[in-house]
Amino acid sequence: SQKIEQNSEALNIQEGKTATLTCNYTNYSPAYLQWYRQDPGRGPVFLLLIRENEKEKRKERLKVTFDTTLKQSLFHITASQPADSATYLCALDRLVTNYGGSQGNLIFGKGTKLSVKP
Amino acid sequence: NAGVTQTPKFQVLKTGQSMTLQCAQDMNHEYMSWYRQDPGMGLRLIHYSVGAGITDQGEVPNGYNVSRSTTEDFPLRLLSAAPSQTSVYFCASTGDTQYFGPGTRLTVL
Repeated sequence: SQKIEQNSEALNIQEGKTATLTCNYTNYSPAYLQWYRQDPGRGPVFLLLIRENEKEKRKERLKVTFDTTLKQSLFHITASQPADSATYLCALDRLVTNYGGSQGNLIFGKGTKLSVKP
Repeated sequence: NAGVTQTPKFQVLKTGQSMTLQCAQDMNHEYMSWYRQDPGMGLRLIHYSVGAGITDQGEVPNGYNVSRSTTEDFPLRLLSAAPSQTSVYFCASTGDTQYFGPGTRLTVL
């Protein structure tokens, strides 16, 4: 069956450093992969989506890579700040629409809890 | 736009009681989903809908019913609550990406 794993349950880093989170998947060839942020007591919030034909995507201090050969995505936060402390989730679509869009049938990793210390 | 709204925020049930978790979205999205989130298990899909009148099972559907009579609403029903259904429940609506509601924290005693 399809599996998606985030290697670290928790990651502690110093402010200003780059945080790197890993997401691996098996038994699957996804059209794209998504990353979400979740704060305590809140619902996940979408951050970035990267498609299978994209090697890298950036949004401000965030960068995501997607290696379909390794079946892995890396999520980087550069110049990290204490406000970046949260749990980060990666997710894959089990099904996509005919035009490649999400049907909302996602499989999620268990998340990595990032703590950025001042 | 309110986005995705869920009610109630918190609920305590006794084993065997029934209840409905409400979910509504005002973005005119066709696709909606229900997830549960448990410590150490991550988010797991319960049921999803690809449009009004169409629903399908996700990864953990047992003990839950859904219906989708309108585009806006996607309620989740627990017919006979069990302690194993103690969890945080999230509703999501899918457009260009998924938009999650604030969640319902359910405790079954």
